[in-house]
Amino acid sequence: GNSVTQMEGPVTLSEEAFLTINCTYTATGYPSLFWYVQYPGEGLQLLLKATKADDKGSNKGFEATYRKETTSFHLEKGSVQVSDSAVYFCALSGWGAQKLVFGQGTRLTINP
Amino acid sequence: DTGVSQNPRHKITKRGQNVTFRCDPISEHNRLYWYRQTLGQGPEFLTYFQNEAQLEKSRLLSDRFSAERPKGSFSTLEIQRTEQGDSAMYLCASSLASGGKLGYEQYFGPGTRLTVT
Repeated sequence: GNSVTQMEGPVTLSEEAFLTINCTYTATGYPSLFWYVQYPGEGLQLLLKATKADDKGSNKGFEATYRKETTSFHLEKGSVQVSDSAVYFCALSGWGAQKLVFGQGTRLTINP
Repeated sequence: DTGVSQNPRHKITKRGQNVTFRCDPISEHNRLYWYRQTLGQGPEFLTYFQNEAQLEKSRLLSDRFSAERPKGSFSTLEIQRTEQGDSAMYLCASSLASGGKLGYEQYFGPGTRLTVT
């Protein structure tokens, strides 16, 4: 079945550091890929998405590129802020956009 | 657009009792999903509806769990004879799959946190 593996956390960085959170997936066919973010005390929010190979999703300074050859969708940001502290989830959905399959989440803490 | 709402936000119940949660999706969304999230894990899919039809159920959804979406609008998730292992956050999400939209973007509610004592 489909699955998602994220780098284990927690991750702690200083403000303005470069961020990478690794995500790899196993899926049949051509899944769509997502990053969701969960800020403290809030619900899951869609951060960005990519629906086909080589697509780049971007939002709020975050980027991720759908790499079919390496089955990866790593999240990057060039300069993180304290307000980026949250739990980040990588997820996929199969063709037909039905259920989401999530990774286990990566807790990110940014120190000033 | 008021987003996805869930009620109650918190529920504490004793083992063996029945509980029911409600989800109100974004008004024009025709798909509705239920997930369960335990501490330190990502959400796990339970079931989903397109309009009033329940199209898929996870094997996680034992016979004690039942979900309905009677008029294709709000949905309820009932857990009968609760067990301590049912303690989790229950998340609802909705999406629009119509015309050119395939419903990829799921919008989540704040969740209902269930504690079974």
